[in-house]
Amino acid sequence: GDSVTQMEGPVTLSEEAFLTINCTYTATGYPSLFWYVQYPGEGLQLLLKATKADDKGSNKGFEATYRKETTSFHLEKGSVQVSDSAVYFCALSGDNFNKFYFGSGTKLNVKP
Amino acid sequence: DAGVIQSPRHEVTEMGQEVTLRCKPISGHNSLFWYRQTMMRGLELLIYFNNNVPIDDSGMPEDRFSAKMPNASFSTLKIQPSEPRDSAVYFCASSFPGLMNTEAFFGQGTRLTVV
Repeated sequence: GDSVTQMEGPVTLSEEAFLTINCTYTATGYPSLFWYVQYPGEGLQLLLKATKADDKGSNKGFEATYRKETTSFHLEKGSVQVSDSAVYFCALSGDNFNKFYFGSGTKLNVKP
Repeated sequence: DAGVIQSPRHEVTEMGQEVTLRCKPISGHNSLFWYRQTMMRGLELLIYFNNNVPIDDSGMPEDRFSAKMPNASFSTLKIQPSEPRDSAVYFCASSFPGLMNTEAFFGQGTRLTVV
């Protein structure tokens, strides 16, 4: 069945460091891929998405490219800020009623 | 639109009591999802509806859990009787009708504590 695997955390970085959070997926058909962010005490918010192969989603300095050949959707940011500290979830949505599959989440801690 | 609205935000109840969580999806969305989030198990899909019909309830942990969607603007998740291991944050999410591969919009969640 469809599934998402993302790197385990926590990830601890200093401010202005480069961020990569790895995400790979297994899916039938042509899923869309998403990154969600969850700040403490809040629900999940969409960070970015890509709906087909080679698409690049971007938002707030974060980027991720839909790589069909490697079934990956890694999240990157060139220079993280303390305010980026949160839990990041990779997700896919397949063809079946928009059912979403989420990874386990990666907690990011950014230190000043 | 106010987004997905969940109530209550926090619920503390005693073991054995019935608990009802409520969700109002975004107007016009026809898919609705209930998730449970815990430290141990992460984010789990419990059940989802399409056009008010339950499509897949395989994630519901046991018969103590039930969910309904009597109309397009309201859904409930009920736990009866509740147990301490049900303590978690419960999220409701909805997505846009008829368009494949669009994002799910999440509510703020209900933090349930069963003592």
